[in-house]
Amino acid sequence: SQQGEEDPQALSIQEGENATMNCSYKTSINNLQWYRQNSGRGLVHLILIRSNEREKHSGRLRVTLDTSKKSSSLLITASRAADTASYFCATPYAGGTSYGKLTFGQGTILTVHP
Amino acid sequence: EPEVTQTPSHQVTQMGQEVILRCVPISNHLYFYWYRQILGQKVEFLVSFYNNEISEKSEIFDDQFSVERPDGSNFTLKIRSTKLEDSAMYFCASNRGGSGQGYEQYFGPGTRLTVT
Repeated sequence: SQQGEEDPQALSIQEGENATMNCSYKTSINNLQWYRQNSGRGLVHLILIRSNEREKHSGRLRVTLDTSKKSSSLLITASRAADTASYFCATPYAGGTSYGKLTFGQGTILTVHP
Repeated sequence: EPEVTQTPSHQVTQMGQEVILRCVPISNHLYFYWYRQILGQKVEFLVSFYNNEISEKSEIFDDQFSVERPDGSNFTLKIRSTKLEDSAMYFCASNRGGSGQGYEQYFGPGTRLTVT
């Protein structure tokens, strides 16, 4: 089954440092989406990268996609304490009729120390 | 910026009771979803809804669950007879087009359901 799995499970850094989280998936996709979840709160959509894109930027976020390795990475530059959250990658079902359900990984818990 | 809204934010109910979780998707979106997240676990897909009918459902979405779009704006999830294991955060989401076609899926803030 398609499944995004994030690595590492937890990441602890100092404010100002960069944070890199990785996601691997098992089957072909046509896009991959990254979300942030603050503790006990909702899922905030960060960025969508399509299978024909290799890199995408949004503010301090940089996402890469390597379809040959079935992996993606999320880089947060110049991290802030407010970036402390769980980060998930999610992949939509790409086979047959697609109604767009997403499959989520376990997430990376990022802690940014002030 | 338009957003998905959900009410209530927290619902406490006794086992065996019926609950209805409510969502207002983004207004020009056509695809609607419910997911749940048990504490400490992954976000799991429950059901998708398109063109006024269920388009896909997971194994979790058994006969105790139902969804409805009673009017042009609301989208509800009903659990007929709640069990302890239904305790979770329930998220509503919507897309303008299918995620498989490259549309972003936006989530609401969630309803935390506690079954006692």
